Amino acid sequence: KAGVTQTPRYLIKTRGQQVTLSCSPISGHRSVSWYQQTPGQGLQFLFEYFSETQRNKGNFPGRFSGRQFSNSRSEMNVSTLELGDSALYLCASSLAWGVSYEQYFGPGTRLTVT
Amino acid sequence: AQTVTQSQPEMSVQEAETVTLSCTYDTSESDYYLFWYKQPPSRQMILVIRQEAYKQQNATENRFSVNFQKAAKSFSLKISDSQLGDAAMYFCAYVTLSNTGKLIFGQGTTLQVKP
Repeated sequence: KAGVTQTPRYLIKTRGQQVTLSCSPISGHRSVSWYQQTPGQGLQFLFEYFSETQRNKGNFPGRFSGRQFSNSRSEMNVSTLELGDSALYLCASSLAWGVSYEQYFGPGTRLTVT
Repeated sequence: AQTVTQSQPEMSVQEAETVTLSCTYDTSESDYYLFWYKQPPSRQMILVIRQEAYKQQNATENRFSVNFQKAAKSFSLKISDSQLGDAAMYFCAYVTLSNTGKLIFGQGTTLQVKP
């Protein structure tokens, strides 16, 4: 099976712009979670989507949003970018049912805000 | 509060030796899953091993094994016969069954393997 893919891998944006990141989960996985990774804050949960519904949301401002499509692919959007949004954004997918709750990660999108 | 503590920011081990990474966690829930993930420099996060909280038997995956102490909320990772390719940042994490999409991570332990 193909792993989790994320596009683009690298992105440079200017403060105030908006950005959309994409994630394709492992085939058959219905849950997609997003995380922000920074040296200072570590790995922080952004949100999770399951069957096109947001099931949970982390403590991030409303500028961070996401969605999931019927094929389980997910996008996250960050509007009005700030310098502090520079980070590695990781997407992870999971079966999320039965006894299988481990998450498999994509390579991430490295976002730099200047 | 849901937290994970990895008290060793950095560790080093000689190639072929054994090393143990520590992790403690805090959750009020009884049903959860614990994980160790490995993130090599500039590379993808990889699942190393998982442990179901309802299982008393410690999980093992080849050279990787865990010491799960539920009452103490401790979940350490032992790497035997360390290899150069084991050098990475290691994260301890868990999810609860009430919130399966949200991994709670520790701050990570950077493991250096010396030849």
